[in-house]
Amino acid sequence: GAVVSQHPSRVICKSGTSVKIECRSLDFQATTMFWYRQFPKQSLMLMATSNEGSKATYEQGVEKDKFLINHASLTLSTLTVTSAHPEDSSFYICSARLDSTDTQYFGPGTRLTVL
Amino acid sequence: DAKTTQPPSMDCAEGRAANLPCNHSTISGNEYVYWYRQIHSQGPQYIIHGLKNNETNEMASLIITEDRKSSTLILPHATLRDTAVYYCIVRVGGQAGTALIFGKGTTLSVSS
Repeated sequence: GAVVSQHPSRVICKSGTSVKIECRSLDFQATTMFWYRQFPKQSLMLMATSNEGSKATYEQGVEKDKFLINHASLTLSTLTVTSAHPEDSSFYICSARLDSTDTQYFGPGTRLTVL
Repeated sequence: DAKTTQPPSMDCAEGRAANLPCNHSTISGNEYVYWYRQIHSQGPQYIIHGLKNNETNEMASLIITEDRKSSTLILPHATLRDTAVYYCIVRVGGQAGTALIFGKGTTLSVSS
């Protein structure tokens, strides 16, 4: 149980385009999901907290107009990287909180490469 | 959240127990200790968490000192597939909007 999926697993796009990443909790409902970013040889950095039915809370230094987060249902949160640039190339990982155990479960990650 | 201190790397022979230490000397009474691991190019995997009592599950055991200032994650019989970065994180329990904040973790290398 407590499985989280992400789609796509890998995406390559041209500079200036937008990319949408989906995060789904497959066997539980998650009122809260989180988005992280990880650069090579670094640890995970929290980008934002996504709450179902309300606006996301962004960490300092993360542009909310560039990284659009939508948490429209209890099993789906999306991250859209708008007008992507090469410096946005990274490993994006989501997690979903299982309320009953107060435990976060992570998706497998999405590798974004912007050319 | 309280900071944690972990050794940057550890080695372990396959089949032996791996004991990964974590210091969290400023932990508060309502903060839990969580352990996750990340195998290369994958999302972090939940291992175990606890407040003050020792915990055991099918993956590992968590030993928390009585003063709660440190803990040890024990993998009883390490295999090559346990090679990963292990993160010890303290987090206030019961708060939905409180995320896990990752430090640098310990890179565990299991060799045959």
